[in-house]
Amino acid sequence: ILNVEQSPQSLHVQEGDSTNFTCSFPSSNFYALHWYRWETAKSPEALFVMTLNGDEKKKGRISATLNTKEGYSYLYIKGSQPEDSATYLCAFITGTASKLTFGTGTRLQVTL
Amino acid sequence: DSGVTQTPKHLITATGQRVTLRCSPRSGDLSVYWYQQSLDQGLQFLIQYYNGEERAKGNILERFSAQQFPDLHSELNLSSLELGDSALYFCASSVWREPGDTQYFGPGTRLTVL
Repeated sequence: ILNVEQSPQSLHVQEGDSTNFTCSFPSSNFYALHWYRWETAKSPEALFVMTLNGDEKKKGRISATLNTKEGYSYLYIKGSQPEDSATYLCAFITGTASKLTFGTGTRLQVTL
Repeated sequence: DSGVTQTPKHLITATGQRVTLRCSPRSGDLSVYWYQQSLDQGLQFLIQYYNGEERAKGNILERFSAQQFPDLHSELNLSSLELGDSALYFCASSVWREPGDTQYFGPGTRLTVL
């Protein structure tokens, strides 16, 4: 059974704060890690797919890093805005299976 | 809007019944994935089809089955429904079949079993 853990479970920040969350996954047989953003009443939206150790991806104010040797990925949001409020999910995939194993997510709330 | 469509949006039915959920992938996408989101659990992968053939299987119950048709739309059939099958069912699609492909999620079908 693959365990993907995300921390913290929830986070409440003020507008303008920068924040980050962690996704931990098994380091053996790594293939890819996906990050998704899931707003309430909408469907998950793909942010990044990361495959290489040391990889860093950026999309606007959001960026992510990957360490496959130690089994973690960080997601950073710079200057949080209320529209960043959502649940951020990571999903891990091994080389021997095609299925994504999702973490339970980090719920971010950004207030004015 | 991801380009993935799912119907119906909501479905209310009784225990023991059978329902069919439908998914149309984004134009050009060959892979379709089905996921279940229950109240107390995260997104659980059910099954993947690639160009009409089953590609990967996850935690899908024997009472559930799926298929992908020549026009690439997919259907998820849930039979002998139980209260615990109440959940949000998502379909996602991607261009190819590789695990590293970005998956685009549809709006989901909320199933309520009474």
